[in-house]
Amino acid sequence: DADVTQTPRNRITKTGKRIMLECSQTKGHDRMYWYRQDPGLGLRLIYYSFDVKDINKGEISDGYSVSRQAQAKFSLSLESAIPNQTALYFCATSARTGGGYTFGSGTRLTVV
Amino acid sequence: AQSVTQLGSHVSVSEGALVLLRCNYSSSVPPYLFWYVQYPNQGLQLLLKYTTGATLVKGINGFEAEFKKSETSFHLTKPSAHMSDAAEYFCAVSDRAAGNKLTFGGGTRVLVKP
Repeated sequence: DADVTQTPRNRITKTGKRIMLECSQTKGHDRMYWYRQDPGLGLRLIYYSFDVKDINKGEISDGYSVSRQAQAKFSLSLESAIPNQTALYFCATSARTGGGYTFGSGTRLTVV
Repeated sequence: AQSVTQLGSHVSVSEGALVLLRCNYSSSVPPYLFWYVQYPNQGLQLLLKYTTGATLVKGINGFEAEFKKSETSFHLTKPSAHMSDAAEYFCAVSDRAAGNKLTFGGGTRVLVKP
C-alpha cells in the first residue's frame, strides 16, 4: 500500500456541489498538507496541519475547508465547487524535522 | 517570505546530452532546498535535498544539484539525459521560520528527444 493515499483519483462534479477529497497516511508523520497544481503555477498551498489540533490556512484557502480527523487523516472540502477549482490536488505529509514531503498520487478534480 | 523561480517552463534535450534545470530562491534564513520529479499521472517524488554540509548534493537517477549561497541558486544537472528523464521537475525551498513548509517553483517540463 502507498504511504499516502488519496481518494478519489479522479472526480467530475457540477458547479455548486459540495465535494470532499480524502487523504490518509501510514508514515506516522504529524504534519499534513493540501496543495493544488495548475499548469505553470507549480504547487500552491491550500491548508496545512502540524498536528491534530492545529489547522492553518495556506496562500489560497478561499473556497476550501479542511478537517483533521486523526493523525493519519486529513480531508479537503470544497463547499460549493466552481469551475476555476478544476485542478490536480495533492496531499503531502512531513516529519517535524523538515526533511521534505511524501506526496500522494493526486486527485484530478474537474468542475463543470 | 520564501520564493522560488525556475527559469524555463519547458526544456528540450537530446538523449545523451546534459540536462540543466535552473532554480533561484529567496529566503530570509539559510534554506533547505529540494528538487522533486513528477512523472505523468503520478505524485511528486523526491530527487534530492540540501539541508546542511556539502553543497554538492547527489540524488537518485544520476541527478545532482549544487547549492550556491552567493548566487541564491540550486541548479539541477544530469550529465547524460535518458528517455526516462522526461517528466516535470519542481524546485522547492523550506520555510524554516514557519515549520518547514515548502514553497514550490512553477516547474520545468523536460522533453527528451531520441
